[in-house]
Amino acid sequence: GDSVTQMEGPVTLSEEAFLTINCTYTATGYPSLFWYVQYPGEGLQLLLKATKADDKGSNKGFEATYRKETTSFHLEKGSVQVSDSAVYFCALSDPLGGSNYKLTFGKGTLLTVNP
Amino acid sequence: DTAVSQTPKYLVTQMGNDKSIKCEQNLGHDTMYWYKQDSKKFLKIMFSYNNKELIINETVPNRFSPKSPDKAHLNLHINSLELGDSAVYFCASSQEGQGGPISNYEQYFGPGTRLTVT
Repeated sequence: GDSVTQMEGPVTLSEEAFLTINCTYTATGYPSLFWYVQYPGEGLQLLLKATKADDKGSNKGFEATYRKETTSFHLEKGSVQVSDSAVYFCALSDPLGGSNYKLTFGKGTLLTVNP
Repeated sequence: DTAVSQTPKYLVTQMGNDKSIKCEQNLGHDTMYWYKQDSKKFLKIMFSYNNKELIINETVPNRFSPKSPDKAHLNLHINSLELGDSAVYFCASSQEGQGGPISNYEQYFGPGTRLTVT
């Protein structure tokens, strides 16, 4: 079945540091890939997405590129801020694999940014 | 203004009780979902409904029964609550489109309901 593996947290960085959160996936078909963010006490929000190989999703300074050859979708940001502290989830949907009506999530990575 | 709302936000109850969580979306979406987030933040789909029809039931015990009275509502009723049911439950919705609702359209999540079973 489909699965998403993302780097274990927690990740603690200083403000303006470079961020990478690794995400790899296995899927039956050709999935769409997503990063969701959950701020403390809130629900999830879509951060960015990519629907086909070599697409780059970007939002709020975050980027991730859909790499089919390495089955990866790593999240990066050049300079993190305290306000980026949150839990980040990598996820996929896999229409050809029959899961176009659900998201399969990774286990989440807690990011803490210190001033 | 709230896109996806859930009530209650917090629910504390004893083992063996029956409780319901309500979800409403005002986005005009056709598809709604329930997810469970455990204490380690792991998120897993429970149910998805499209146009009031059950699409996914992801090996959830029969004690959990979703009900969709109309496209804008998806409620979750839980019978005979157990300690292991303690979690945060998230409702979500998305618009249906070509290729399935998720590939092309964002899922909007509610704020969550924190259920504590004692």
